[in-house]
Amino acid sequence: NAGVTQTPKFQVLKTGQSMTLQCAQDMNHNSMYWYRQDPGMGLRLIYYSASEGTTDKGEVPNGYNVSRLNKREFSLRLESAAPSQTSVYFCASRIDRGISYEQYFGPGTRLTVT
Amino acid sequence: AQKITQTQPGMFVQEKEAVTLDCTYDTSDQSYGLFWYKQPSSGEMIFLIYQGSYDEQNATEGRYSLNFQKARKSANLVISASQLGDSAMYFCAMREATQGGSEKLVFGKGTKLTVNP
Repeated sequence: NAGVTQTPKFQVLKTGQSMTLQCAQDMNHNSMYWYRQDPGMGLRLIYYSASEGTTDKGEVPNGYNVSRLNKREFSLRLESAAPSQTSVYFCASRIDRGISYEQYFGPGTRLTVT
Repeated sequence: AQKITQTQPGMFVQEKEAVTLDCTYDTSDQSYGLFWYKQPSSGEMIFLIYQGSYDEQNATEGRYSLNFQKARKSANLVISASQLGDSAMYFCAMREATQGGSEKLVFGKGTKLTVNP
């Protein structure tokens, strides 16, 4: 049981390049999330998906797209990377039944855009 | 306006002493919940404790307890008998319902705790 996995762990991009951050969970969770963490800002929600086939914008969606490929996988795409997107990206998931409200986080992807 | 406010950017505590990390929140919902997460220097987010708005008793998990004062909209984390391994960033977060029937977390900016030997 790996929990939430993210790839890659580190990435350096040049301005204008594109890339996709991958996230997968093996806990059969319904909801999945993408956050970014910048120094002094805490975590901010980029996009989330309440179930397979649905996605919604969070607090800071500009410059990003997402795909909920199936129940396990939720990817984040940067079409044209900008230096302002230098950040640590976390994927998370949670089940929507019962009283367990905890979000389980992946290990993070550290992205640098030069 | 910030929904989660952590007013202490940094805190210091001596090993074996107790420390309180402050968190205030803003919501008009009747049903909500507050979380605390720990982020050590290795970067992972570790769930510590959860308090629901309807929970009558303050949540406790081992050395962690949550001092929940609903009328004051505060949810402070108390760590008893601090250990060197408690040195980390600590984030307070609140769960909010979404229009799609799911929910999301709103985080504070964090408090960096340093435990001195």
